[in-house]
Amino acid sequence: AQSVTQPDIHITVSEGASLELRCNYSYGATPYLFWYVQSPGQGLQLLLKYFSGDTLVQGIKGFEAEFKRSQSSFNLRKPSVHWSDAAEYFCAVDVGGYGNKLVFGAGTILRVKS
Amino acid sequence: GAGVSQSPRYKVAKRGQDVALRCDPISGHVSLFWYQQALGQGPEFLTYFQNEAQLDKSGLPSDRFFAERPEGSVSTLKIQRTQQEDSAVYLCASSLDGYNSPLHFGNGTRLTVT
Repeated sequence: AQSVTQPDIHITVSEGASLELRCNYSYGATPYLFWYVQSPGQGLQLLLKYFSGDTLVQGIKGFEAEFKRSQSSFNLRKPSVHWSDAAEYFCAVDVGGYGNKLVFGAGTILRVKS
Repeated sequence: GAGVSQSPRYKVAKRGQDVALRCDPISGHVSLFWYQQALGQGPEFLTYFQNEAQLDKSGLPSDRFFAERPEGSVSTLKIQRTQQEDSAVYLCASSLDGYNSPLHFGNGTRLTVT
């Protein structure tokens, strides 16, 4: 069955430090992959997506993610974290073939310390 | 407003009551999705509409859950005879055409069944 694993429930980083959030997926075909961010009481906002082509994708707010087929991973990175990045981050894979029937991971809560 | 609007924001229901949750998608968006997000989990797909047609309802957990979008715009998710396990945040999302166009999420309705 299709699934997404985010191994880290919580991560705390210092403001200005680099960030990497891990995501592993299980999906038989070529995956469509996504990262979303959710602030408390808010809906999800799309950070970036991978459909095909260049395996390093750029997103909003200075985030990027790299698709590694051999590792079934799609890790999210940011070189310098800002306090406003504190939120919950979700990795997702499309299972409907049309880019929007998503299976989400359980999320990683990012805390930023000053 | 230009975003996806959901109402009510919060709903408390006694076990056995019926509830109706409303979603106003972004004007002109053809596709509409419902997701269920339990506490501490990622969202889970419930159902998908393209215009007024419900094309996928594979995620609805039981026949107590029913969704409609009669005129291809506003959608209502109805839960009959609510149970405690129905307590969750229900997220609505819309997209321009459902085919790889990005999802825009509402802020959700938090349902608590007592």
